[in-house]
Amino acid sequence: EVQLVESGGGVVQPGGSLRLSCAASGFTFDDYSIHWVRQAPGKGLEWVSLIRWDGGATYYADSVKGRFTISRDDSKNSLYLQMNSLRTEDTALYYCAKDGTRRGYYHYFDSWGQGTLVTVSS
Amino acid sequence: QSALTQPASVSGSPGQSITISCTGTSTDVGEYVSWYQHHPGKAPKLLIYEVSYRPSGVSHRFSGSKSGSTASLTISGLQTEDEADYYCSSFTSSSTLYVFGTGTKVTVL
Repeated sequence: EVQLVESGGGVVQPGGSLRLSCAASGFTFDDYSIHWVRQAPGKGLEWVSLIRWDGGATYYADSVKGRFTISRDDSKNSLYLQMNSLRTEDTALYYCAKDGTRRGYYHYFDSWGQGTLVTVSS
Repeated sequence: QSALTQPASVSGSPGQSITISCTGTSTDVGEYVSWYQHHPGKAPKLLIYEVSYRPSGVSHRFSGSKSGSTASLTISGLQTEDEADYYCSSFTSSSTLYVFGTGTKVTVL
């Protein structure tokens, strides 16, 4: 069974930093691209970032480009999101989500974690 | 990149069928539309991928289709456990690779 468990959320002041983690199990981690998706309170889902299965490419939403960095450690079956220069509008529940295609093109999210909450507030 | 447009809410009685629309531009709503069910407090669940394909384990009561720049999710034989939020999503050619719909709250009367 695929499991994705996020951690690292918390309360941080505007301009601060936070590092999220996602521990994966139940599948061959280094065969799949992984995404971060967020949901602000009372709002819909927003795609944040993607790292390709081989770590050779990363992609970001325009809203976080230059501030967030996605990375992975295949030896630990883990995904990370380093968030810098945080803004109040980054307040959200952050989910990691597994891509649906093995070593292929990334078109949908077939497994999700339950999320970790990030609150940016002074 | 703007979100895809979904109705804010759709309701139906048990056993009925309902359809949720997802509208964007022709470049947004292509062959890579997917649908997700989200019960608050739980992990979102993939229902449909690539417009109309259903992952194993997903009920046949869920089906997807597309016409022009509008994709649709139909839930047939509505059940109380279908009460949830539903989101469409699409892979796009823009710099923000993926766009989600605005979300639809389904209520079972």
